[in-house]
Amino acid sequence: SQTIHQWPATLVQPVGSPLSLECTVEGTSNPNLYWYRQAAGRGLQLLFYSVGIGQISSEVPQNLSASRPQDRQFILSSKKLLLSDSGFYLCAWSVGGSYNSPLHFGNGTRLTVT
Amino acid sequence: KQEVTQIPAALSVPEGENLVLNCSFTDSAIYNLQWFRQDPGKGLTSLLLIQSSQREQTSGRLNASLDKSSGRSTLYIAASQPGDSATYLCATGTASKLTFGTGTRLQVTL
Repeated sequence: SQTIHQWPATLVQPVGSPLSLECTVEGTSNPNLYWYRQAAGRGLQLLFYSVGIGQISSEVPQNLSASRPQDRQFILSSKKLLLSDSGFYLCAWSVGGSYNSPLHFGNGTRLTVT
Repeated sequence: KQEVTQIPAALSVPEGENLVLNCSFTDSAIYNLQWFRQDPGKGLTSLLLIQSSQREQTSGRLNASLDKSSGRSTLYIAASQPGDSATYLCATGTASKLTFGTGTRLQVTL
């Protein structure tokens, strides 16, 4: 069966510090991978998605970036965090090449920028 | 740009009651509509996916319907239980992306 791992679960970082959140998927090959952000009282905002190694699409211009160095690894990064980057970050995957595959989420990372 | 709306934002019902959650969307050019459940502080769990060519999907006590022409979907929960308490989100799928509503927070009371 497929599993998705996301870490860390919680993170408190000062403004201006770097960020690296990691997500890995097991039990499937060539998945579509996603990073979403959920702010308090708001819906999920798609930040990045990837359909293959090195292929990253950005949905929202911001100081965040994403990379996919391996087939089942997706990394969300920032060089300098802003207060507005606080939120709940969720990694997700779906079956690659399918437009009708359910989205499966990790448990999320609660990021607080102070 | 797709907009997904869920009303009401919160709902409280007594245990055993049947209930319906509503989801509406503005652009009917979708591949599918998905329903998720989110427990506090957790990720989302996929409940049901309805392809654009389908009218409904069922899983246990859950039944989701889709009316593309009117831009509406409903999630029916039969015989609600306290364990059903969570936030329920719908999302429309186009190609590789989903657009989410802000959810309905459901509380089932004893």
